[in-house]
Amino acid sequence: DADVTQTPRNRITKTGKRIMLECSQTKGHDRMYWYRQDPGLGLRLIYYSFDVKDINKGEISDGYSVSRQAQAKFSLSLESAIPNQTALYFCATGKYAGGFDTQYFGPGTRLTVL
Amino acid sequence: GESVGLHLPTLSVQEGDNSIINCAYSNSASDYFIWYKQESGKGPQFIIDIRSNMDKRQGQRVTVLLNKTVKHLSLQIAATQPGDSAVYFCAENSSGDSGAGSYQLTFGKGTKLSVIP
Repeated sequence: DADVTQTPRNRITKTGKRIMLECSQTKGHDRMYWYRQDPGLGLRLIYYSFDVKDINKGEISDGYSVSRQAQAKFSLSLESAIPNQTALYFCATGKYAGGFDTQYFGPGTRLTVL
Repeated sequence: GESVGLHLPTLSVQEGDNSIINCAYSNSASDYFIWYKQESGKGPQFIIDIRSNMDKRQGQRVTVLLNKTVKHLSLQIAATQPGDSAVYFCAENSSGDSGAGSYQLTFGKGTKLSVIP
């Protein structure tokens, strides 16, 4: 979805390096999410944010941190990358209406940790 | 814990035929469901959603059916085209009683649809 952009699209790094993945959206949604996708495991939630001042851990937050710099920007950091963090990372925005949250995904970042 | 799963991991259909992709869910509190399409190298793309107060919803060439009795969800694609080749995920969530509304989607692992020209 062109309304949700992620940078970089691909990144190869070494164990121990600090990495930041960035996400920007023009949908005007308050909610933003970070997921990782691994073969055979589906999408798993890392962190989520309901607004700029609200950040929450998801199912697999260990080894990750996030920053919500503005309504439109949500970045994910790996403080000290390790090989098992090699995965596809997706940012998503959430449109909350009527008690339900419809999520829209960015194109993804393929991260390889050597 | 609760889970969302798919009956078939792969599905091959002839171009022009109809496709049916199935999904079973186990959380009886789930009241909102979404189907996503993920093409190779791309992020999941929203296709269609349905709330639990409905049993059928139609979009352009797609229909989602919800059977709450047996906790089953299906996505029907009419006149399947080569561009429909992708992995299809179902996702579910429940609004819960926190007042904050639903936020956490539980995703199935996906079904790969291959369209034979």
